[in-house]
Amino acid sequence: EAGVTQSPTHLIKTRGQQATLRCSPISGHTSVYWYQQALGLGLQFLLWYDEGEERNRGNFPPRFSGRQFPNYSSELNVNALELEDSALYLCASSEGQGWNTEAFFGQGTRLTVV
Amino acid sequence: AQKVTQAQTEISVVEKEDVTLDCVYETRDTTYYLFWYKQPPSGELVFLIRRNSFDEQNEISGRYSWNFQKSTSSFNFTITASQVVDSAVYFCALSEDGVDSSYKLIFGSGTRLLVRP
Repeated sequence: EAGVTQSPTHLIKTRGQQATLRCSPISGHTSVYWYQQALGLGLQFLLWYDEGEERNRGNFPPRFSGRQFPNYSSELNVNALELEDSALYLCASSEGQGWNTEAFFGQGTRLTVV
Repeated sequence: AQKVTQAQTEISVVEKEDVTLDCVYETRDTTYYLFWYKQPPSGELVFLIRRNSFDEQNEISGRYSWNFQKSTSSFNFTITASQVVDSAVYFCALSEDGVDSSYKLIFGSGTRLLVRP
């Protein structure tokens, strides 16, 4: 069974541009989570989508947004990129809501803003 | 408030040594879940174990073992006879079971383990 897949693996953007990151959850999983792992800041919760809706977001500005499609895949969009947005963005999926079910992460997208 | 502390920033051992990674957590909930993840240099987070707060039994999986002690709010991870392939960053994480918090996984800052040949 395929795990959580993310694309692209690496992404280089210029400050001010927009970045789109994609995530395909494990088959049967309806919840998708996005985390940012920036150097020195650890893993921080970004967004949670379930059944096509944004259920909650972490302490990030509105230029971080996303959506979940009917097939439960998800996109993370980052507008007006800033240098400090450079980070590894990890997506995870779970079968139900919350981490009381098994949850697995993808390999991440490494975003570099220059 | 929820918090996970991994006081050991980096540990270096020689192959075949045993090593224990410490994790201390804080939570107000009586029902919560604790996790360990491994992050090799390639970047992905590899799930190792999930334990709920009502199950205090220690767990062993091959060379890995986990010691969960609610009395000290600790969930420590031991690798027996370490190998070079164990070199990675290891994260401990916590999730509470409440409606308003079950979606969020709180991570510790990670412990970088280096196993030297």
